[in-house]
Amino acid sequence: AQSVTQLDSQVPVFEEAPVELRCNYSSSVSVYLFWYVQYPNQGLQLLLKYLSGSTLVKGINGFEAEFNKSQTSFHLRKPSVHISDTAEYFCAVSPGGSYIPTFGRGTSLIVHP
Amino acid sequence: NAGVTQTPKFQVLKTGQSMTLQCAQDMNHNSMYWYRQDPGMGLRLIYYSASEGTTDKGEVPNGYNVSRLNKREFSLRLESAAPSQTSVYFCASSEAGGSSYNSPLHFGNGTRLTVT
Repeated sequence: AQSVTQLDSQVPVFEEAPVELRCNYSSSVSVYLFWYVQYPNQGLQLLLKYLSGSTLVKGINGFEAEFNKSQTSFHLRKPSVHISDTAEYFCAVSPGGSYIPTFGRGTSLIVHP
Repeated sequence: NAGVTQTPKFQVLKTGQSMTLQCAQDMNHNSMYWYRQDPGMGLRLIYYSASEGTTDKGEVPNGYNVSRLNKREFSLRLESAAPSQTSVYFCASSEAGGSSYNSPLHFGNGTRLTVT
C-alpha cells in the first residue's frame, strides 16, 4: 500500500515570496501524482498532475511541481505567491492499476501581506 | 456544466437519526467516491464505485452505506448517526474505469454534517 507524507502542516509566507510545499510518497509501483487546492468552504480542485514524460509539470495559477523518482518526491513550487493563494493544498498518489488515490493530510498555505 | 452536485450543504442531526447525502455528476464519469474530511486527517475514503452497479469499501466504511443508483448518482446513507460522524463529506467523480487509471478527481463542494 502506498502512503503520502506532506511534511509541513502549515506554511506561512509573505506575499511575493517564493514557496515550496513538500510531498513524499512510498510506492513500489509506478504512480500518477496530483496536487489539489481547496479554498475555504469549497471542494478540492486539480492544480496539476504528473502522468508520464517531463518531470517538471506546470499547473494553474503559476504553480509547478517536479517529480523526482529517486527521492520519491513531488514538491509544489511557486516563485511569487499572492494573498489569493491562501488555501489548503493536498498531494495525492495513484498507483498504476488503481482507481483509488491516496491523499496526504494537507498543507495550509498562509500568505501574509 | 454543474460538475459534481452535493445536497444538502449543511445538516444537523441528533444521535441515532438517519439521513442520506445525495451526489450527482453530469460528466458521464465511470467512478464515484465518498470521502470525509476531518481537521488534521486529510481526506479519508469511505466508499467508492468503479462503475454503475458496483461499490467497494474504502478506509473508513463503518456506519455508512452507499448506493450507485445509476451512472450519475451515488448516495451515502448514515443509518444511525453518531457524534464521531461529525465531519465534512465530499463526493467526487473521475473518468477512471476499464483500463484507464490516471484520471484526476472532480469534487463537489461538500456537506457539513454535525451530529449532536
